Amino acid sequence: KQEVTQIPAALSVPEGENLVLNCSFTDSAIYNLQWFRQDPGKGLTSLLLIQSSQREQTSGRLNASLDKSSGRSTLYIAASQPGDSATYLCAVRPIQGAQKLVFGQGTRLTINP
Amino acid sequence: DTGVSQNPRHKITKRGQNVTFRCDPISEHNRLYWYRQTLGQGPEFLTYFQNEAQLEKSRLLSDRFSAERPKGSFSTLEIQRTEQGDSAMYLCASSPTQNSPLHFGNGTRLTVT
Repeated sequence: KQEVTQIPAALSVPEGENLVLNCSFTDSAIYNLQWFRQDPGKGLTSLLLIQSSQREQTSGRLNASLDKSSGRSTLYIAASQPGDSATYLCAVRPIQGAQKLVFGQGTRLTINP
Repeated sequence: DTGVSQNPRHKITKRGQNVTFRCDPISEHNRLYWYRQTLGQGPEFLTYFQNEAQLEKSRLLSDRFSAERPKGSFSTLEIQRTEQGDSAMYLCASSPTQNSPLHFGNGTRLTVT
């Protein structure tokens, strides 16, 4: 059974710092991995999607990497801003049971001005 | 692209009552998903539609839950005889293909008293 873990559960950093959020998964048989952002009381906003054949994806100040063989992904945020404060969730689409994303519990990020 | 729309945003109901939620996906997306999210956790898969066909259901979806997607457009999720344990955020998502990013709505927050 696929399990996704995100560590740490919460992170607080000063504005301007570069930071890395971690995601690990137990089964490397995946189609893709997706990173989402969730603001309090809201739905999820898709940030980046990495196909299993890709190593990384970039969008603006965000860069996500995928090491499928070791079951790890990282989300790198450059020059953090207070507006980046949110919960960040990663999710994998497993090859078996491909219609359901399996989510981690998320990392709650706070950027202090 | 007007995004995924969910109604109502909030629903408070008494235990034992029935509730129904509606989801309007992005118009050209034929795949529609329902997820449930409790506080501090990642979303959990409930069910999946491709067009009007419900192709997968989670074991989380007890007999009290039913979902429909008539005509392959909007979808409804009904919970009968609600219990306090049903209190959660119910999220709807859509996508055009299996390997595309999921687009989530802002969810319906259900509180069962």
